[in-house]
This record gives sequence, C-alpha cells and structure tokens, in this order.
Amino acid sequence: EIVLTQSPATLSLSPGDRATLSCRASQSVGTYLAWYQQKPGQAPRLLIYDASNRATGVPARFSGSGSGTDFTLTISSLEPDDFAFYYCQQRSNWRFGQGTKVEIK
Amino acid sequence: QVQLVQSGAEVKKPGASVKVSCRASGYTFTDYYIHWVRRAPGQGLEWMGWINPNNGGSDFAQKFQGRVTMTRDTSISTAYMELSRLGSDDTALYYCARLPSRRYYYDSWGQGTMVTVSS
Repeated sequence: EIVLTQSPATLSLSPGDRATLSCRASQSVGTYLAWYQQKPGQAPRLLIYDASNRATGVPARFSGSGSGTDFTLTISSLEPDDFAFYYCQQRSNWRFGQGTKVEIK
Repeated sequence: QVQLVQSGAEVKKPGASVKVSCRASGYTFTDYYIHWVRRAPGQGLEWMGWINPNNGGSDFAQKFQGRVTMTRDTSISTAYMELSRLGSDDTALYYCARLPSRRYYYDSWGQGTMVTVSS
C-alpha cells in the first residue's frame, strides 16, 4: 500500500510569503498526485491534479511540481484566504497524506 | 450545476448505527462513482470506500470492512453510507465526493455531515 507523507505538519507564514509544501510517496506514483485545500467548515476543494495541472478556477499563485515520489505544492504569495489545510492524494488507493496546516504567523 | 447534498447532523450512542445520505443533482447519477471520506477532529482526511451507482458494486478500506455498507437508490439519485457499531473515534465529518470517470481525484464534494458519537 502506498503511503503519502506530508511535511511540515504546520507552516507558519505571513500574507505575501511564499509557501512550499511537500508530499512524499512511499513508492512511485508517476504524476498521479492531486492536491486539495480545506478550510474550516468547508468541504475540500481540488487545487492541482496530475501533479502540476491547476483545476478550473484555481488562481495562478498555486502551482504543483514533482514526479515519482517527491511532490511540491507552492503558493507564490499567500493571500489571507489561503490559510487552510492542504492534502495530497494519490491514485492507487485514493489515500491522502496527513495534511499540512498553513497558519498565519 | 453539479451538486451533492448530504443529510443533516446526527448524534448517536456508542454501539449504534448511522446512515448518511448524499443526493446528487446536475448530472447523470449512474455515470460517476461516489466515494466517502471522513475527517475526525484534529485528524486528516480518511478514505472510507466507494460505490458504483450504476450496478451497486462497492469496496471499502480494510479498516471499515464488516462495519460499513454503501448503497444507492437510482430513482432519487441518492447514495447512502451506513456505519455500524459506532465508537467515539467515529465522531467525524463525513463527506461524499464524486469521482470522474477514469480519474482518481474528486471534482465535487458534499457539504459534509457531522456525526457525533457520545453516551
């Protein structure tokens, strides 16, 4: 079973900062990796699929990269609305990473 | 537009069962698998299983085998997730999500149903 490990667990940053979130797979998933954003009281929202493709309506400040076992979600300049939880998900069994919380410093 | 609307919050006693519904609209219900995901307080997203609304086939995470049932009623475009023998660690927000054909990521989610297990 493929396991996804996200780091860090918490990222404390200020608006305007660059955020770099990591997701590592226990074995290769190719580019079959998605990223979701979840805010309190809301359902998750798809941000990135196939490692680097932005979903419809997702702002350009969100970008994804990586392949194989190492993936990165980058938020180029944090907006107040971006402080939330972020999860990666892979294809083989739909499991998620444990999440990264991006909080205001 | 695509919508998944879930049933309301539930409070259950330990050992009881809960059944959550997920009503789909805005698309052909039988064309997309429905998955169920939960998020317990302070925890991350946990995948529970899926149902194929076309034929009723389903599969579940091993953790929930023997305790979860997923069904559907195509006449009202609704999927159901029933979890039995509830424990306090089943307190969570339960979501249904739509899986596009030949994809692995979810493009639409229900609003979530809070299930609280408390004596």
